[in-house]
Amino acid sequence: GAGVSQTPSNKVTEKGKYVELRCDPISGHTALYWYRQSLGQGPEFLIYFQGTGAADDSGLPNDRFFAVRPEGSVSTLKIQRTERGDSAMYLCASSTTGGPDTQYFGPGTRLTVL
Amino acid sequence: RKEVEQDPGPFNVPEGATVAFNCTYSNSASQSFFWYRQDCRKEPKLLMSVYSSGNEDGRFTAQLNRASQYISLLIRDSKLSDSATYLCVVLTGGGNKLTFGTGTQLKVEL
Repeated sequence: GAGVSQTPSNKVTEKGKYVELRCDPISGHTALYWYRQSLGQGPEFLIYFQGTGAADDSGLPNDRFFAVRPEGSVSTLKIQRTERGDSAMYLCASSTTGGPDTQYFGPGTRLTVL
Repeated sequence: RKEVEQDPGPFNVPEGATVAFNCTYSNSASQSFFWYRQDCRKEPKLLMSVYSSGNEDGRFTAQLNRASQYISLLIRDSKLSDSATYLCVVLTGGGNKLTFGTGTQLKVEL
């Protein structure tokens, strides 16, 4: 079956611009996660959705970052007033119901802020 | 101190060698433990879960020591295709958040 998909695969933007990153989880998975991975580091947790609600957004670095999942399936990560330090790989993962269920990762969106 | 600590490597080993990676974690409330594999410019993929009793999957053996908060991964008879970054991962945050180490890079050479 289809895995987690993310679009775009690459995004180049200028400092100060707004970007949206999209994640399509595995069909039927109620739990969805966003992580950010900088070069040479492991992924860092940003936010976790259970259905339509953000159950844990403790990893969002500041109020420029926001994510939604209005229908409990597709999620969009939104970054306002991008900064060069936002450049990273943004990974989305989904799991069946959350908790210890295996998280399956998408291929990521590589964001470059010039 | 990082929540999950790993030696970043790289570990350069000849084909057929046995190699071991270690990892320590700081949150004693951590509930589940994993090793993920990440190939260059690809997403992380689950390699195996780690249990206190130790578990084996083919050439891979994982071990957890809760008292020492220590996790290990042993790879026997290394193959060229094992070259990748191995991420030590702990489930925290009420059981929903994966916390990753920085990863250990393995290069298997002819």
